[in-house]
Amino acid sequence: AQKVTQAQTEISVVEKEDVTLDCVYETRDTTYYLFWYKQPPSGELVFLIRRNSFDEQNEISGRYSWNFQKSTSSFNFTITASQVVDSAVYFCAHSTGRRALTFGSGTRLQVQP
Amino acid sequence: KAGVTQTPRYLIKTRGQQVTLSCSPISGHRSVSWYQQTPGQGLQFLFEYFSETQRNKGNFPGRFSGRQFSNSRSEMNVSTLELGDSALYLCASSYYRDRDTGELFFGEGSRLTVL
Repeated sequence: AQKVTQAQTEISVVEKEDVTLDCVYETRDTTYYLFWYKQPPSGELVFLIRRNSFDEQNEISGRYSWNFQKSTSSFNFTITASQVVDSAVYFCAHSTGRRALTFGSGTRLQVQP
Repeated sequence: KAGVTQTPRYLIKTRGQQVTLSCSPISGHRSVSWYQQTPGQGLQFLFEYFSETQRNKGNFPGRFSGRQFSNSRSEMNVSTLELGDSALYLCASSYYRDRDTGELFFGEGSRLTVL
C-alpha cells in the first residue's frame, strides 16, 4: 500500500522568506505519480504539479520549485520569496496511475506580512 | 471555462437521515472522483466514475454510494448518516486517459454536518 508522509504540520514564515515543504512517500510500484495541491480557505484543491516516477528532473515554475529524488523517496516543494497569498494548506499525493490519490496529512503554511 | 461545480455547498442533517451530493465536472471531462476530508482521517478516496461505471472504490462502507449520468454529472449518496460522516466532500474531474492519472481538478466541496 502507498503512504505519503508530510512531517511538518504547520510552518510559519515572514513574507519574502524561502520555505520548503517536505514530502516522503512509500510505494512498491515502479510506475507512479506524485502531486502537490494547494488548499486555500475556500476549500477547493488547486493542482500545482504532477511528476511521474521516471522523470526525476527538478522543475521550477515562477517562485515554485520541486525536488524529486527517488533515492530518498522524497518530493519536496520550495516557495521562494513567500507572499501572504501563499498561506494555505499544501498536500502531497501519490497515485499508481488511476484517479485514486493517496494524500499526505498536509502542511499548513502561514506567511506573515 | 467553468470549473467543477458542487451542490449544495453546505448542509446539515441528523443521524439516520440520508444525503445526496451533486457534482458537475468541467466540460469535456469524463472522469469524476469523490474524496472525503475530515480533520482526523484527512483526505480519503471514495470512488471514481467514468462512462457511468464505477471504476475504482475506496475503503468505505456500503452506505456510501454514487452514480454518474450520461452527461458525466455525478451524485454521491450517504445513507443512515452517522456523526462521523461530518466532512467536506470533494469532487474532482479529469480528462480520463488510461494508464495516466492526469490532473485532477477539484470543486470547492460540500460541507456536511451531521447532528
